[in-house]
Amino acid sequence: EAGVAQSPRYKIIEKRQSVAFWCNPISGHATLYWYQQILGQGPKLLIQFQNNGVVDDSQLPKDRFSAERLKGVDSTLKIQPAKLEDSAVYLCASSLGVQETQYFGPGTRLLVL
Amino acid sequence: AQSVTQLGSHVSVSEGALVLLRCNYSSSVPPYLFWYVQYPNQGLQLLLKYTSAATLVKGINGFEAEFKKSETSFHLTKPSAHMSDAAEYFCAVSEFNDMRFGAGTRLTVKP
Repeated sequence: EAGVAQSPRYKIIEKRQSVAFWCNPISGHATLYWYQQILGQGPKLLIQFQNNGVVDDSQLPKDRFSAERLKGVDSTLKIQPAKLEDSAVYLCASSLGVQETQYFGPGTRLLVL
Repeated sequence: AQSVTQLGSHVSVSEGALVLLRCNYSSSVPPYLFWYVQYPNQGLQLLLKYTSAATLVKGINGFEAEFKKSETSFHLTKPSAHMSDAAEYFCAVSEFNDMRFGAGTRLTVKP
C-alpha cells in the first residue's frame, strides 16, 4: 500500500514570496490533515479536511495560509506572502476517518530567508 | 482543550538499558493517546495507541505504554534499547477531531 506522498521535499524562498505544497493521501482515506512542525516542537494542526470539506481550521493563519482539497483526494497548502517565522516542516497526514490512526507523509521542509 | 506534556526534551541511555519516556496529558473526556516516532528527515510513524481498551498497550519495535488514569500518564517503555531506537518520540492526545502533540523527546542510545 502506498503511503502519503508529499512534494516538494525541500523549498527555499525569500520572505514575501509565495509557496505551495502538495499532498496525496493514502487511497480511500477520507480525512486529511496539514501540520506545521517548527524546529524543536511537536506538530501543530493547521487544517483538517473530511472528504473535501473543512472540519477544523482554527489554527490556520488565514491572512496568509490557504488550503484546498477540491476533489476530496489530494490537497494543496499555500502560503502567500511567506514570513521568516513560517520556516518549518509541513506534514501531511491522512486517516480513514476522524480519531482513526493518522499516517504521515515525509514532510516538506521550508526555509524562508 | 486537551494538552500533552513530555518530561525531558532529551533522554540518553546505553544500548541494552531500559528506555522510559514520560508523557502526561490533560483531557476533559476519556482520551485517545498515541506515541509516534520520527526519524531524521522523515514523517511520524505510529508506535502504539490507546483507545480505552487494555491499559497496557503493546506497539511495534518492542515498545509498550501503560495508561494510568489516576496519574494522567501514558509513559513509553522498552526493556532493552537498541541503537536503531535513536529518534524523536512524540506523545499525542486526541479528543473528538482534535489531536495535540507534545514537544517531543529526543532519545540518544550510546554504544
